[in-house]
Amino acid sequence: EAQVTQNPRYLITVTGKKLTVTCSQNMNHEYMSWYRQDPGLGLRQIYYSMNVEVTDKGDVPEGYKVSRKEKRNFPLILESPSPNQTSLYFCASRSAASSYEQYFGPGTRLTVT
Amino acid sequence: DAKTTQPTSMDCAEGRAANLPCNHSTISGNEYVYWYRQIHSQGPQYIIHGLKNNETNEMASLIITEDRKSSTLILPHATLRDTAVYYCIDLAGGTSYGKLTFGQGTILTVHP
Repeated sequence: EAQVTQNPRYLITVTGKKLTVTCSQNMNHEYMSWYRQDPGLGLRQIYYSMNVEVTDKGDVPEGYKVSRKEKRNFPLILESPSPNQTSLYFCASRSAASSYEQYFGPGTRLTVT
Repeated sequence: DAKTTQPTSMDCAEGRAANLPCNHSTISGNEYVYWYRQIHSQGPQYIIHGLKNNETNEMASLIITEDRKSSTLILPHATLRDTAVYYCIDLAGGTSYGKLTFGQGTILTVHP
């Protein structure tokens, strides 16, 4: 089954404790993205990657890092989480041949206290 | 990306057609109209897209006006599982590096 998986699905952590949210897709997609969703603000792109070792900032990259060492994986790293990073996070992927259909993961609900 | 406007919320009776409008009056000639939906806190799901012509797939139909300034997503026989937030998005095909700019969308509630 074609899918994007994220782990963990729920995470409660404390300020300053480094964490990584993993994202993996099994569709051999070139493009991958991370979004965060907050009430009243919609979905905002954090980082995106056009292929292995090619990443770039989205609209709200501050406080986040990403890496793309393998085509299927695109982890999101919070080196020093802060309460304003409490949010619902989505990973997404799409094929370079298809600009319209993005596949989203199930989401990771992060709470930073 | 050009801006789209949608009604905040709509209701629909189960089994009836749900018609969701979207205004995209500043859309450019090469910008497609995309529709996604998000069922409560799940990842958004692609529904349909179009450029000029009306489109239909197994999920919905998309009617685009001749001047391309507005469109309507039609769910022909709405079910309770279609209750979701529906997003209308416009962007140029292949140039956005995968970034989708979601607005507030329309909350569609399907009633029994």
